[in-house]
Amino acid sequence: ETGVTQTPRHLVMGMTNKKSLKCEQHLGHNAMYWYKQSAKKPLELMFVYSLEERVENNSVPSRFSPECPNSSHLFLHLHTLQPEDSALYLCASSQDWEGNTGELFFGEGSRLTVL
Amino acid sequence: AQSVTQPDIHITVSEGASLELRCNYSYGATPYLFWYVQSPGQGLQLLLKYFSGDTLVQGIKGFEAEFKRSQSSFNLRKPSVHWSDAAEYFCAVGARGYQKVTFGIGTKLQVIP
Repeated sequence: ETGVTQTPRHLVMGMTNKKSLKCEQHLGHNAMYWYKQSAKKPLELMFVYSLEERVENNSVPSRFSPECPNSSHLFLHLHTLQPEDSALYLCASSQDWEGNTGELFFGEGSRLTVL
Repeated sequence: AQSVTQPDIHITVSEGASLELRCNYSYGATPYLFWYVQSPGQGLQLLLKYFSGDTLVQGIKGFEAEFKRSQSSFNLRKPSVHWSDAAEYFCAVGARGYQKVTFGIGTKLQVIP
């Protein structure tokens, strides 16, 4: 496989469920990101990991919990979500965090619906 | 703080017609500028980027963009649109050494026969 792969592509969950989104990159990059994409709003950066260390956390509610076990894998653990958390969650990677020019490689996204 | 404005939320063009999508940015220094495209059900793909040098940059799929510092603009153009170009287009601004890329709200392009 090449590029950035996200699973599952679609997820429906209740507000009391616990689920996880998975992202895997096959590009040899050192930085990985979670973005939230909602209708009629700009992409919102949620978390950034560089060399498996979290370097950015944009005031995201604690019901979202990221995990980066190695430079190729990124997870977003979800628990007690709210209906307003329904959105497309995009994973991205880049060569490096520091000094990087901003070129991001995106996965196809996980469409989350919270009932 | 950096910001990006895409004034057109939705644009409709006829197949074969020319296209220009507008993007204005706000940033204190020389920005790095990007255009990404998102086809339905897909993630974002980089179309082209401007870092420095020639202000007219060529990208994939026949797209080009021109950086105009005096107007703080980075408009995307294509001389002849194809039906497969129907997608959402995002302008973004970044900067060297600072990885926080700011995206615009996107312009949805519809192509009619």
